[in-house]
Amino acid sequence: DTAVSQTPKYLVTQMGNDKSIKCEQNLGHDTMYWYKQDSKKFLKIMFSYNNKELIINETVPNRFSPKSPDKAHLNLHINSLELGDSAVYFCASSQVSGTSLHEQFFGPGTRLTVL
Amino acid sequence: GQQVMQIPQYQHVQEGEDFTTYCNSSTTLSNIQWYKQRPGGHPVFLIQLVKSGEVKKQKRLTFQFGEAKKNSSLHITATQTTDVGTYFCAGRRNSGYALNFGKGTSLLVTP
Repeated sequence: DTAVSQTPKYLVTQMGNDKSIKCEQNLGHDTMYWYKQDSKKFLKIMFSYNNKELIINETVPNRFSPKSPDKAHLNLHINSLELGDSAVYFCASSQVSGTSLHEQFFGPGTRLTVL
Repeated sequence: GQQVMQIPQYQHVQEGEDFTTYCNSSTTLSNIQWYKQRPGGHPVFLIQLVKSGEVKKQKRLTFQFGEAKKNSSLHITATQTTDVGTYFCAGRRNSGYALNFGKGTSLLVTP
């Protein structure tokens, strides 16, 4: 029954490794997002997909690659992990209608720790 | 994109005291949303304000949107320990559907 789910919840890995985080929403929304929250709780948009199309790609290192196989899924793959990638990554979704902005539903987050 | 500034960064109150967090933008916002994140949790939507001068209430929470649509505030009357968390305001980005979040105000309420 979870609206937005992410796996895994915790991810501990070594520098240089490649890892993926998966996100799924069962709300029927057409837009999905990835946010990064650092240790100071600052929430920063990384990517936004609308109907499987990439809309926003912030100044994120190209080691981060989002993939949206369908409207309900948005995965995040990270290559060559660095210490600075340690953060909580939140997936979110919303329904966009015309120019109206609706509330975003956030997943529980994935706490990534790079050693 | 539009920068949204939020103050204070932290606030520590005794239970029963009031609390206010302020959000300011250098440019006009089409709308503003407020979210609450409990410790260890994820952001949860509270409300959206769209109209100039709009005021909305949710029990002890009062949300205001400035006349110029450049500022907003969240006021909590008679705080309770369940109000603990970080409150974020978020304005719509210039393009696309994502939000620019303020840095949040972390509220601590001691009994």
